[in-house]
This record gives sequence, C-alpha cells and structure tokens, in this order.
Amino acid sequence: DTGVSQNPRHKITKRGQNVTFRCDPISEHNRLYWYRQTLGQGPEFLTYFQNEAQLEKSRLLSDRFSAERPKGSFSTLEIQRTEQGDSAMYLCATLAGTDTQYFGPGTRLTVL
Amino acid sequence: AQSVTQPDIHITVSEGASLELRCNYSYGATPYLFWYVQSPGQGLQLLLKYFSGDTLVQGIKGFEAEFKRSQSSFNLRKPSVHWSDAAEYFCAVGLSLMEYGNKLVFGAGTILRVKS
Repeated sequence: DTGVSQNPRHKITKRGQNVTFRCDPISEHNRLYWYRQTLGQGPEFLTYFQNEAQLEKSRLLSDRFSAERPKGSFSTLEIQRTEQGDSAMYLCATLAGTDTQYFGPGTRLTVL
Repeated sequence: AQSVTQPDIHITVSEGASLELRCNYSYGATPYLFWYVQSPGQGLQLLLKYFSGDTLVQGIKGFEAEFKRSQSSFNLRKPSVHWSDAAEYFCAVGLSLMEYGNKLVFGAGTILRVKS
C-alpha cells in the first residue's frame, strides 16, 4: 500500500454515460498525476497538478475529459460521453519534491 | 522526443534462474530512471530508482539495475527468480521538473513468467 487511494476500483458503464474517478493522495505530496494505461501498454501521461493548479494536459486528454484538484487535496477525473476507446486503467500518482511518484491501485474502466 | 524501449514483450525463466530485463531510453538530459512492477489488476509498485551516483542500484525483493550512460540503458537483474516475481515490469524515465513537470515516460512493459 503506497498511501494513494483511488475509487472506484472498477467501473462499468454504457457508451455515452459520464463517469468520475477520485484519487486521494499522500497528504504531504503537492504534485498529483493522472495516467492512462490500455491493455498491453505502459501508462501514458494525461495531466498533472501542483497543489490546485493544473499545469499541463496531454493531447490525449480530449475535451470530454476534465480533471480538478480543489484545495490541492484529492483529485477527480471526469469523462463525459464515454466511448469504447476510453476503456482503460486510470492511474493516479503523487509526488513530493522531485523524487519518486507513488501510484494508487488504479480505476479500471470498461465502456460497453 | 523522449522514449523508453523494452525490447522483450514476454520473458519466461525457470524458478531459481537468473533474470535480466532490458530497457533503453532516449532523453537529452540526465535521466531519472525507474523500474516499477505491476501485478494483474493492480497499480505500480516501485522496485528501484536511479538519480545519480553509483550506477548500480539496489531495490526491493532482491532486484538491482545498472545505469550505462554510453548505452542509454538501465537493465534490471535478479540473480535467482522466485515464482512470486511473475508480473509485468515497466521501465520509466522521469523528465525534468522545469521543462516537463517530472512526468514519467514508460516503456510498453515486459511480462515475466516463471516456470516451476
């Protein structure tokens, strides 16, 4: 257990529905990252926050994706109008300073 | 562009045999390098990391890795594999804070199978 938690662990939804995932970081970690991992691939960077500020978004993050980190604590990742191509594992990681990113257990999304 | 290559998609070794997983990276600056392990349906667990100094780094579970700048490699090794080591292994390079916010670029992973 790294101290990073993610909920839900699994989500099954129908195409076109909206879904929201939550990440609770290690409390003293000011930087928070989201990655997406599709089957047979390594994780790919989506976006990251320093405290409450979203500093970068990957081109992978289409307009249907939005992420927030209110008050610099937990973060949410919302996908609107889900598509089958959104099916993946969504991983959250947190970091203090410039050291190591610690990953949560991930949320597995299946879009039917 | 930054990239990480893990040339072996699958590797099978016998329990008790030695293991080497290969990793090559492409990054213009001094890299931060990591190996993570992932069991099915789980998140990533850090095995070891290299930031600077001694190019041979020790990690958890008896793993070690050697950084070779001339070869742009960071191969993972273990002298004697246990059945519980069966998992997927990811090599990653950490990009600079100022330019890239310390984000990680991962390889595609190597799936390790252990034969008894």
